[in-house]
Amino acid sequence: AQKITQTQPGMFVQEKEAVTLDCTYDTSDPSYGLFWYKQPSSGEMIFLIYQGSYDQQNATEGRYSLNFQKARKSANLVISASQLGDSAMYFCAMMKGSARQLTFGSGTQLTVLP
Amino acid sequence: DTGVSQDPRHKITKRGQNVTFRCDPISEHNRLYWYRQTLGQGPEFLTYFQNEAQLEKSRLLSDRFSAERPKGSFSTLEIQRTEQGDSAMYLCASSKAGIFTDTQYFGPGTRLTVL
Repeated sequence: AQKITQTQPGMFVQEKEAVTLDCTYDTSDPSYGLFWYKQPSSGEMIFLIYQGSYDQQNATEGRYSLNFQKARKSANLVISASQLGDSAMYFCAMMKGSARQLTFGSGTQLTVLP
Repeated sequence: DTGVSQDPRHKITKRGQNVTFRCDPISEHNRLYWYRQTLGQGPEFLTYFQNEAQLEKSRLLSDRFSAERPKGSFSTLEIQRTEQGDSAMYLCASSKAGIFTDTQYFGPGTRLTVL
């Protein structure tokens, strides 16, 4: 069974600093995709970044980058130059092979301090 | 570009009542998903449609739950004989079929409270 583990229930970061949110995954399928979503207190899940298992380079989207280490089965999200608006719950998720469902981790609550 | 919309945003009901939620996907998206999220947890997959066909169903989707997407556009999720354990956020997402994978875009959710 596929599984996503986020070991940091809560993280604090000073405004303008970088922060890394951890995510490890477990699958035996060679084809999979990894996603990060942000969920503010309003509840909507906002897509941030995607990494495919066959992608050679780490994904980047603006201030977000994904540190993909395939052998270690980790897909950590790096947020550079944190902003107060980055305070939210962050979820790592995986889509395996031809299946369409996303499997989510338990999330990390990020708080950006002024 | 209009995002995924869900209606209602909040629903309070008494145990044993039936409730129905609606999801309108992004217009060009042919795939639609339903997830359930309880407090402090990540969303859990319920079911998925490609056009009007329901292609995957989770074991979480008990007989009291039914989802439809009759014309391949909007979808409804009905819960019959609600139980207190059904209290959760119900999230809808949509995507456009891609060659390798497709990114799911979520709506604002419907928060259900069963008294």
